[in-house]
Parts: sequence; structure tokens; C-alpha cells
Amino acid sequence: QLQLQESGPGLVKPSETLSLTCTVSGDSIISRTYYWAWIRQPPGKGLEWIGSVYYSGSPYYNPSLKSRVTISVDTSKNQFALKLISVTAADTAVYYCATLHSRSWYNDYWGQGTLVTVSS
Amino acid sequence: QSALTQPPSVSGSPGQSVTISCTGTSSDVGSYNRVSWYQQPPGTAPKLMIYEVSNRPSGVPDRFSGSKSGNTASLTISGLQAEDEADYYCSSYTISTPYVFGTGTKVTVL
Repeated sequence: QLQLQESGPGLVKPSETLSLTCTVSGDSIISRTYYWAWIRQPPGKGLEWIGSVYYSGSPYYNPSLKSRVTISVDTSKNQFALKLISVTAADTAVYYCATLHSRSWYNDYWGQGTLVTVSS
Repeated sequence: QSALTQPPSVSGSPGQSVTISCTGTSSDVGSYNRVSWYQQPPGTAPKLMIYEVSNRPSGVPDRFSGSKSGNTASLTISGLQAEDEADYYCSSYTISTPYVFGTGTKVTVL
């Protein structure tokens, strides 16, 4: 059973960089079945897709965040990572990592989510 | 790419059926069968309920069904139960973004 676990700081200062890691267990990140995705949810609001990456690279990013986002894969650690630069209070959210089925574009496995608060 | 449009809330009594709509455009829902639905009880991660418009993953009750007509996809919950009370989101592949979620619908069991 594939499992995903987010990790990283729960508090980031405005204008700094948000960095999160997702550890994949139960399967290899070198998979032709999945993209690896980051999704966020501000408190009391809906889901927002941030971006996705294939194990070999070639990320897709939400155009609204593209200038500030980098998603990368570390195959040696079976992990993928999110970096979001120049954060503001509007980036406060629960951040989820998830699989994104490469053929049919659905998220079948999710991490439990981690709350990141942007505040000084 | 704007979010897909869902009604903010729907409600029904136990045993009744409710339907949630998810309206997109010819660039997403209308052109691709890559529509999925997620259930999110408070304080938990979303759970996949429907993929490829109408397919249920293993373990999802057959009370949940999906369909599509034109630019609008729908999720129907038949025989509504108290445990179905949650937020529901649709998502779709899009030619532009290339992935987008719906605005979300709160289902209340009266």
C-alpha cells in the first residue's frame, strides 16, 4: 500500500521560502503510473493544485504560482519536494502531497497534510 | 484557468438522493473523461470517490455514482447516510492548466 508523508517547518516568515518534503513508502517513486503532486488548502477554503512532477522531471505548475514554485524529485531518497519563494500570509494553508495518475489525472493516494503558517 | 463551479451546499434527509454538479468548459470537463470526485470530512485529507467520470475505486460504496453531460459532471449519492456528511470536490484535466479542482460543495444530512 502506497503511503505519503509530508514534513517540514510549520511556521515560515513573510518573504522567506517555504520548503516541504514528501516521503513515499510502499512503492518506488520511479513509477510510470504516477506524477507526484502538491496540493494546498487555505483554512476554511477549497483545494488548489500547486503542481506535479514525473520521476524523470518535466514538472507542471499552476500558472498562478508558476513564478514562485519549484517541485523536484530525489529518487535516491524516494522523496519529492516543494519550494515556494517569497511567501505571504496568503500562502498559509494545509499542504498535501499526493499521487496524480499519469493517464487519467486523479489523486488516489494522499498524505495526511501539514499546516504551514506564514507569520512573523 | 478558473476553478470548476460547484454549488456551495446541498442537503438531504437520510435515505434520500442528492446530486452535486461540477460545471467546466469545453477545455476541460467537456472534452476529457478525466473527471474525479473527492470526499473530505472535517479535519481529514480528501479521499478519492470517483475517477474517469464514473468509476469507483475499490471500497467505495455503490451509493456513489458519477456521470457527465456536456460541460457538466455530476456526483450522485443515493440512500444518503449520516456518514456522508462532508465537503466534496471535483477535479478535471484541462487543456491549459493542466489540472483544476472545483470550488467545493458541503453536503449536509438533515
